[in-house]
Amino acid sequence: DTAVSQTPKYLVTQMGNDKSIKCEQNLGHDTMYWYKQDSKKFLKIMFSYNNKELIINETVPNRFSPKSPDKAHLNLHINSLELGDSAVYFCASSQVPTSRAGELFFGEGSRLTVL
Amino acid sequence: AQSVSQHNHHVILSEAASLELGCNYSYGGTVNLFWYVQYPGQHLQLLLKYFSGDPLVKGIKGFEAEFIKSKFSFNLRKPSVQWSDTAEYFCAVNHGSSNTGKLIFGQGTTLQVKP
Repeated sequence: DTAVSQTPKYLVTQMGNDKSIKCEQNLGHDTMYWYKQDSKKFLKIMFSYNNKELIINETVPNRFSPKSPDKAHLNLHINSLELGDSAVYFCASSQVPTSRAGELFFGEGSRLTVL
Repeated sequence: AQSVSQHNHHVILSEAASLELGCNYSYGGTVNLFWYVQYPGQHLQLLLKYFSGDPLVKGIKGFEAEFIKSKFSFNLRKPSVQWSDTAEYFCAVNHGSSNTGKLIFGQGTTLQVKP
């Protein structure tokens, strides 16, 4: 049973399109995250939700919109895709926020390629 | 702004060699420190973490890390590496007093262990 699952694993699309990545965790965690890993391997936090409430919203273009319908799901929708959006997007969850030394459990990542 | 530096981007070792991966951070307050590992084809997982107490932390698979507050460092060590330790290693830090738990990652170090 996968603890944090993301779909799709690979996504290839044209500039200007809109796409979504879904994430689900079955760990019963309250906090979920989206991270972006660029071509230089830097992992940067984009968003974090705690109990469906947005608690971290980094400087991310407003083309990116997270949605948390419930504690177990955090989806990422991207409008008007640009070449620079190509990256690996990781979903993660934690039982407590990482500020209380909570361990992050990561999904396998979704590789987005914008042509 | 808070940042994390991993000075070794690519390390190549022979089996049984000793390993030390450097990690320095730029925040002066209370911090929580983490090392994550990503084995080939797998998701990121926690190796070890420090949030208080003994600055020498033991993790899984024989890894350890030492928090040296005066040097703002949290270097990862292993006395004798194995081929199976080939992976990407990421250091991460966040504010211990933050309510949001924003975790800042380093760029990662690729470790290649030759049999």
